[in-house]
Amino acid sequence: DIRMTQSPASLSASLGETVNIECLASEDIYSDLAWYQQKPGKSPQLLIYNANSLQNGVPSRFSGSGSGTQYSLKINSLQSEDVATYFCQQYNNYPPTFGSGTKLEIK
Amino acid sequence: EVQLQQSGAELVRPGTSVKLSCKVSGDTITAYYMHFVKQRPGQGLEWIGRIDPEDDSTKYAEKFKNKATLTADTSSNTAYLKLSSLTSEDTATYFCTTGSLWGQGVMVTVSS
Repeated sequence: DIRMTQSPASLSASLGETVNIECLASEDIYSDLAWYQQKPGKSPQLLIYNANSLQNGVPSRFSGSGSGTQYSLKINSLQSEDVATYFCQQYNNYPPTFGSGTKLEIK
Repeated sequence: EVQLQQSGAELVRPGTSVKLSCKVSGDTITAYYMHFVKQRPGQGLEWIGRIDPEDDSTKYAEKFKNKATLTADTSSNTAYLKLSSLTSEDTATYFCTTGSLWGQGVMVTVSS
């Protein structure tokens, strides 16, 4: 199985700041990577697919980048509604595997 | 608007089985692979398996091969996850998802 190493595990930032979350795959996943946002008590919501494609309806302050084994999610101009846990997921190989999550809080 | 509607919370006894449903509204279920994902309280996401309702083909994560069974009923636009030989380790929220669409999740509690 492909291992997804996500960092940091938690993150505290101020409103308006820019934050970055990283995911490292144990092998090349050829940009078959998604980012999800999960708010407490809710289902995950797709933010980014194919490493850098913004899902319909997702604010443009979210962006994804990367290739090969290294990927990142960037959130510009942090808003209070961005408080959530973020997960990466690779879908290049079965089984699809998730990173362990990054819990984002407002400072 | 396409939605995934999951069945309600379950409290089940150890050693028994439970069957969870995921109904697609607003589109035909055969348009999607349906995946199921497990999330233990306060933990991350774990992929269980997926079914192609077009031909009932399935794929499972190795650790769920003797635990989970996926089926689909195209006449009711519904996919099902059956979990067998339940233990406390199966206490979790289970989601159905197409990737871009997610059900609301169903909490399964295994307790005597």
